[in-house]
Amino acid sequence: GAVVSQHPSWVICKSGTSVKIECRSLDFQATTMFWYRQFPKQSLMLMATSNEGSKATYEQGVEKDKFLINHASLTLSTLTVTSAHPEDSSFYICSARAVASLGNEQFFGPGTRLTVL
Amino acid sequence: AQTVTQSQPEMSVQEAETVTLSCTYDTSESNYYLFWYKQPPSRQMILVIRQEAYKQQNATENRFSVNFQKAAKSFSLKISDSQLGDTAMYFCAFVMNRDDKIIFGKGTRLHILP
Repeated sequence: GAVVSQHPSWVICKSGTSVKIECRSLDFQATTMFWYRQFPKQSLMLMATSNEGSKATYEQGVEKDKFLINHASLTLSTLTVTSAHPEDSSFYICSARAVASLGNEQFFGPGTRLTVL
Repeated sequence: AQTVTQSQPEMSVQEAETVTLSCTYDTSESNYYLFWYKQPPSRQMILVIRQEAYKQQNATENRFSVNFQKAAKSFSLKISDSQLGDTAMYFCAFVMNRDDKIIFGKGTRLHILP
């Protein structure tokens, strides 16, 4: 089946620093990748949609200068949390939609837990 | 705007019992897909079952089946012979045919009791 990896799986950083999270589709090409944020016991909140080679589309209320997304290839997208603060602590999940996707199915990464001290 | 509603925040059933999770959605579109995703304690999102709106036949995957009522905009998930490993958060989700975005419900936390 289609596999999506995320790295790192968890990260702790100091307030004011930047953190990069990678999302890779391991055995398929992803035209579109999505970044979600999930708070404890809540649903997934879409942050942005990224298409390979173009600028990401951010959801309303998501600061594009704070959450930088790059989708440089058909297998890699990165999310950089710039000048992180404790309120950015959360679980971040990426997903990828294959070039030939059945029913718009998205394949999810295992998530990255970010803790900002 | 499309919405997905899961009215059961939490449920508990005994192992081997059958349980049904409810989901309703609202859309004016005619072409779309519906999904049930499972998120166990590991937090990895796992696709349980998918239903294409144009198909009248309800989707089935082993112990998992759906009751898709398009006119009523209802999409419930039935888990038969429930197992301890079914303990998880279950999300109902909607995707339009012409769009990429998944719209998730708030989820139902399901506990399977030994």
